Amino acid sequence: GNSVTQMEGPVTLSEEAFLTINCTYTATGYPSLFWYVQYPGEGLQLLLKATKADDKGSNKGFEATYRKETTSFHLEKGSVQVSDSAVYFCALRGGSNYKLTFGKGTLLTVNP
Amino acid sequence: DADVTQTPRNRITKTGKRIMLECSQTKGHDRMYWYRQDPGLGLRLIYYSFDVKDINKGEISDGYSVSRQAQAKFSLSLESAIPNQTALYFCATSGAGTGGDSGANVLTFGAGSRLTVL
Repeated sequence: GNSVTQMEGPVTLSEEAFLTINCTYTATGYPSLFWYVQYPGEGLQLLLKATKADDKGSNKGFEATYRKETTSFHLEKGSVQVSDSAVYFCALRGGSNYKLTFGKGTLLTVNP
Repeated sequence: DADVTQTPRNRITKTGKRIMLECSQTKGHDRMYWYRQDPGLGLRLIYYSFDVKDINKGEISDGYSVSRQAQAKFSLSLESAIPNQTALYFCATSGAGTGGDSGANVLTFGAGSRLTVL
């Protein structure tokens, strides 16, 4: 079945540091890949997505590239801010499958 | 008003009690979901509904039941709560479709209902 593995946290960075959160997946066919973000006290919201190999999703300075050869979708940001402190979830949806499969989440804390 | 509203936001109850968590949405979507979030386990799907007459079990439906009262309303019940059901519960909604850019890929979540079972 489909599965998502993302790096375990927590991750603590100083403001303006470079961020990478690793995500790899297992799926049949050609899944769509997503990053969702959960800010403190809120529900999850879509951060970015990529629907086919080599696509790059981007939003709010975050980027992730769909790498089929390495089955990866790593999240990156060049300069994090305190306001980026949140839990980040990698997710996939495989083909006509009805549901999203989520990773376990990575807590990011950015200190001033 | 929020697109997806969950009530209550917080609830403390005792083992054996019946609990209902309610969810309503203003997105006009047909699809609704209930997820459970536990630390270190991510989100796990409890139940989902693709329309008012359609109810399906997710990964962890044992001990839970749902009711889709209308397109906009989807409630989750714990008939006899137990301590290991202590968790953060999320309702979500989405559009339909199967393509890579379909509305089904984008879930809109409520703010969550934190349930503690003593």
